[in-house]
Amino acid sequence: DAGVIQSPRHEVTEMGQEVTLRCKPISGHNSLFWYRQTMMRGLELLIYFNNNVPIDDSGMPEDRFSAKMPNASFSTLKIQPSEPRDSAVYFCASEVSGPYNEQFFGPGTRLTVL
Amino acid sequence: DAKTTQPNSMESNEEEPVHLPCNHSTISGTDYIHWYRQLPSQGPEYVIHGLTSNVNNRMASLAIAEDRKSSTLILHRATLRDAAVYYCILRDYNQGGKLIFGQGTELSVKP
Repeated sequence: DAGVIQSPRHEVTEMGQEVTLRCKPISGHNSLFWYRQTMMRGLELLIYFNNNVPIDDSGMPEDRFSAKMPNASFSTLKIQPSEPRDSAVYFCASEVSGPYNEQFFGPGTRLTVL
Repeated sequence: DAKTTQPNSMESNEEEPVHLPCNHSTISGTDYIHWYRQLPSQGPEYVIHGLTSNVNNRMASLAIAEDRKSSTLILHRATLRDAAVYYCILRDYNQGGKLIFGQGTELSVKP
């Protein structure tokens, strides 16, 4: 199993540009999570999906951020327009939902907004 | 969300046991205690979880206090590869089962 796949691994962009981060969860997993990690704020949950439906987006910082999960094998996190304070490592994770199951994290996308 | 308290950092010697404490005095009856760790430049990885009874797996052991207000992650023989940030998290599946990460304990292992 390839694990959770994220692309790109690194992204450098200029302020004001649109950024799209991609995630492919582990096959068979029905929950998907997007996190952001910075030195100042640590690991924050942005949004999560269950069976492709957004369940909780209370962690999404503002309207510039949006996430979609069009099918069970693909999700995107979009930032438009991007700002320097969005610079962070963004992690995607997936799991089979349930109290005994572990969450599997991808390698992350390091985003730098200049 | 129920909160956890962990020391900011701990040190250990290689091949010695490590006990990582976590306080969670406001734990509710439906909270599971989860531990994750994050190695440098990697995403977090699951270590272990439990509800009331002590748990063992290939990576570690989890000792849970009888009143469930604290727990201890035990690494039986620390290796250099165990140097990471360890997160203790309460996960309430009745509230959607979100993982809320705190600051964790940064474990360093000396050869």
